[in-house]
Amino acid sequence: AQSVTQPDIHITVSEGASLELRCNYSYGATPYLFWYVQSPGQGLQLLLKYFSGDTLVQGIKGFEAEFKRSQSSFNLRKPSVHWSDAAEYFCAVGARGANNLFFGTGTRLTVIP
Amino acid sequence: DTAVSQTPKYLVTQMGNDKSIKCEQNLGHDTMYWYKQDSKKFLKIMFSYNNKELIINETVPNRFSPKSPDKAHLNLHINSLELGDSAVYFCASSQVTSGDKYFGPGTRLLVL
Repeated sequence: AQSVTQPDIHITVSEGASLELRCNYSYGATPYLFWYVQSPGQGLQLLLKYFSGDTLVQGIKGFEAEFKRSQSSFNLRKPSVHWSDAAEYFCAVGARGANNLFFGTGTRLTVIP
Repeated sequence: DTAVSQTPKYLVTQMGNDKSIKCEQNLGHDTMYWYKQDSKKFLKIMFSYNNKELIINETVPNRFSPKSPDKAHLNLHINSLELGDSAVYFCASSQVTSGDKYFGPGTRLLVL
């Protein structure tokens, strides 16, 4: 069965600190993995994606994520968080060309000064 | 230019009413979707349309009916609204050969 687990419901970090958001997936086929960000009252914006190749992918806004097949994980990282990064982050898995994406339940990020 | 747009952004209505949400994409994508985000932020797909054909319907009540007049539009019509329909509804689009889905800003529906 396909599923995505984001074990951290809420994370608080200080501005300038590093960040890692966890994502674990279960998927029967070759997974294509995504991170989306949802700012308050806004839609979802694609941060980055992994299809194949280099397992460390770079995204927008200084984010990166690393695919680890052995751990079924696709964790999102940022070396120095900015106050504007406060938002909800969603990990998703699907298959290339497939119509459905399975989303995790999200991690809410709070950034304190 | 907005890639995926939805109207209205907010919708407050009474139980039993019928309402529609419109979605348009200017990305030239061949597939469009409707997702529902519940109060716990969980996102679940409702429908997708590819070349005017419905190809996913994930156990959604038949009070919900998607209508696609052309490749760039996928509207969502809801009959006999219920309290449990209150949620945020997101439209999205993609090219079937890639996995990238682009989401609209969402429509926040509140049924009273």
